Formats: sequence, C-alpha cells, structure tokens
Amino acid sequence: DAGVIQSPRHEVTEMGQEVTLRCKPISGHNSLFWYRQTMMRGLELLIYFNNNVPIDDSGMPEDRFSAKMPNASFSTLKIQPSEPRDSAVYFCASIRDTAYGYTFGSGTRLTVV
Amino acid sequence: EDKVVQSPLSLVVHEGDTVTLNCSYEVTNFRSLLWYKQEKKAPTFLFMLTSSGIEKKSGRLSSILDKKELFSILNITATQTGDSAVYLCAVTRPGAQKLVFGQGTRLTINP
Repeated sequence: DAGVIQSPRHEVTEMGQEVTLRCKPISGHNSLFWYRQTMMRGLELLIYFNNNVPIDDSGMPEDRFSAKMPNASFSTLKIQPSEPRDSAVYFCASIRDTAYGYTFGSGTRLTVV
Repeated sequence: EDKVVQSPLSLVVHEGDTVTLNCSYEVTNFRSLLWYKQEKKAPTFLFMLTSSGIEKKSGRLSSILDKKELFSILNITATQTGDSAVYLCAVTRPGAQKLVFGQGTRLTINP
C-alpha cells in the first residue's frame, strides 16, 4: 500500500500564476479530502468528495480555488490566480467509508511570491 | 459552528516527564474525537474515542473522553525526544465525514 500520494512536494510560484496540486488516494478508499494548514489557522477543510462527488466545498476560500475528482484514483486542487496568502501546506487525505483513521498524504508546501 | 480548542498551545518538558494535553469541543451531534501526531510531515492517527470514560492506550500514550464535560485528554508518560511533535485533536459528527481540527499543541521534549 503506497499510501496517499501527493505531488508536487514543494511548489514555488509567482503571484498570478496557476497552481495545480495533485492527489492519488489509497485504492479502495471512497472519500477524499483536501485540507490546508497554516500557522495562523491550523488545519482547515477545503473540500471533500465521496465516490468522486463533491459533498462539502464550504471551506473553499473563493472562486480562485477549484477541485475535481474525475475518477476514484485522482484528484486535483487548482488555484488560479495564486496569491501570496495562499502560501500553506496543502494535505490530501482519504478514508474508506467511516470517519476515523484518515490517511494523510505528505502534503504540498506551496509558496506564492 | 463546530469548535475545537486545545491547550496548551505549546509545552516544553524534560525527557522522562509526564505530560497531559487537553482538548475541549463544541459540536452539534458529536460522533467521535480523534487524536493525531504531526511531526515534520503528515498527521498520523493515534486514537479515536467515541464513548465516555473508556481509556484508549498505546504504549506510553493514553487518552480518555468525557462527553458530559465535552473534553478529552491525551497523556504521555516517560516522555522521549521522539515524542516531540504537534498533537492535533479533531471531532466528527454523525453522517459527516469531515474532521474539524483544533490548533494543536506543540510539544517539545528536551533531553
């Protein structure tokens, strides 16, 4: 089991550029979550999918953020245009079907300059 | 809005000490409380608690939930430098799979 795989591990981009973060959940897990972690706000849920369908996107900060899950093995989080305040670590996590023992990916550290 | 508050936010102790980390919550229709340990990378799962008064234990770590007073504690005995991490508490509701996290407690164990 390779765990939840995120890419890239680090991303540095200039303000205004488009950023795409990628996640491959654990095979057989049917719920996928995108979290953002900052010193100020801690871990915040952005959006989650169940069986590839977005269930709760109330944490998505604004229209610049979008997320897709075209199939059970892949999801993307896109920021366009990026801003310095988007700098954070973005985690993807997946679970099978019950809300315990989330498996988190290693995260993508995003820096927008 | 669901709320999770952890205390202290930061704690520095010496190796061998015992520590107690606190987590209080306000959530509509509580389902479970989870503890995670975060070192340099992703949070790793420690415990899930759903019933009051039943201690969960794993080696030197233990945790208990009080659903009446709406809090949980995480105890670590005979601390080691490898216990240095941020400890996160999170809650869930029935029918909702998302976790609502507290700010975390940054624990530093000095040799």
